[in-house]
Amino acid sequence: QKEVEQNSGPLSVPEGAIASLNCTYSDRGSQSFFWYRQYSGKSPELIMSIYSNGDKEDGRFTAQLNKASQYVSLLIRDSQPSDSATYLCAVNVYSGGGADGLTFGKGTHLIIQP
Amino acid sequence: NAGVTQTPKFQVLKTGQSMTLQCAQDMNHNSMYWYRQDPGMGLRLIYYSASEGTTDKGEVPNGYNVSRLNKREFSLRLESAAPSQTSVYFCASGIDRLGQPQHFGDGTRLSIL
Repeated sequence: QKEVEQNSGPLSVPEGAIASLNCTYSDRGSQSFFWYRQYSGKSPELIMSIYSNGDKEDGRFTAQLNKASQYVSLLIRDSQPSDSATYLCAVNVYSGGGADGLTFGKGTHLIIQP
Repeated sequence: NAGVTQTPKFQVLKTGQSMTLQCAQDMNHNSMYWYRQDPGMGLRLIYYSASEGTTDKGEVPNGYNVSRLNKREFSLRLESAAPSQTSVYFCASGIDRLGQPQHFGDGTRLSIL
């Protein structure tokens, strides 16, 4: 059974600091990893995707993947109050013969304190 | 530039009633998905369709049926609604390639009384 684990939080970070969000997954066959941001009452919005070991940077966001440790993280630099949201880690086992959906963690609630 | 469109946005049903949630995407994606999101449970996959004419069960398919009407449209039907199906339902679409994400609709908030 595929499992994706996240600390539910809330994680409270001062404005301007670095927010660090973590995720572990159980299926070693997982190949694609995503971070979605979800504001209260809204739909998930893609923030970052990564599928090879190492770091991937996009603006203030950096995704880090370590397949050996089955660990993926998201760093948010220069945190802003608008970053306050729930961050969902999602994992996909790419089958090549047909997509089988994403397995989501329960999300980490991030609060940026002004 | 609509992306994934879901209708309705809100619905209240009585136990035992039936209804169909509609989803359409204009991104020419082959794969479409239905998820439900409950407090403390995260997003869970109900059904998915890898291509037109095919559907497969996800993690929580009981009580639901789906139809992939064409490449654009993927509907979710509750034949006899139960209070346990009160949830927020999200439709998503995507390209079945390594590293390609899914894109979500705005959701349908469904209450079963």
